[in-house]
Amino acid sequence: DADVTQTPRNRITKTGKRIMLECSQTKGHDRMYWYRQDPGLGLRLIYYSFDVKDINKGEISDGYSVSRQAQAKFSLSLESAIPNQTALYFCATSDPSTGAGELFFGEGSRLTVL
Amino acid sequence: AQSVTQPDIHITVSEGASLELRCNYSYGATPYLFWYVQSPGQGLQLLLKYFSGDTLVQGIKGFEAEFKRSQSSFNLRKPSVHWSDAAEYFCAVGASNQGGKLIFGQGTELSVKP
Repeated sequence: DADVTQTPRNRITKTGKRIMLECSQTKGHDRMYWYRQDPGLGLRLIYYSFDVKDINKGEISDGYSVSRQAQAKFSLSLESAIPNQTALYFCATSDPSTGAGELFFGEGSRLTVL
Repeated sequence: AQSVTQPDIHITVSEGASLELRCNYSYGATPYLFWYVQSPGQGLQLLLKYFSGDTLVQGIKGFEAEFKRSQSSFNLRKPSVHWSDAAEYFCAVGASNQGGKLIFGQGTELSVKP
């Protein structure tokens, strides 16, 4: 089983719908992240959480919210999806003992907003 | 502004040929540098990282990278490419106090000719 699991792996939805992407991890890491990947833009940070009580905005947080339900779970929500949120979304974890933090990624959730 | 630039969007090399993928960064603090690889349909996997010390770092799968502070570069190399190396490669930069908050380049897609 994967150490970082994302569900769903693929989702097609319509403009205006609420969508939740879920992430769970078995690595025991405190730090979790949501990144978005767009062709030609690389990955950009949406939100991050360094522990259960800590939530921080990243570079592109507008239109998104997150919930850290437990050390192992970090969910990303789109309250009202719009077409330009069509992208590949990655959850990742890191271990603070390694300093800058090597990221451990899930396999991604591909979201299409029509 | 902090940024990472990968000048080559797509590179094609013949199997057995050498490879160099370019990465330039702009970062205010002492950079921690990373190369990640993404195979089709997969999440990203760390190839190698540079924190300090020897500027030539070795990674997995026979890859190496050299940090050149004067050129703000961290180019990835491999002496002999295998067909299984076909993937997308991302350079990323972070700082010691930023955890997994990385800035990624746009990515370079590598194709390998038989």
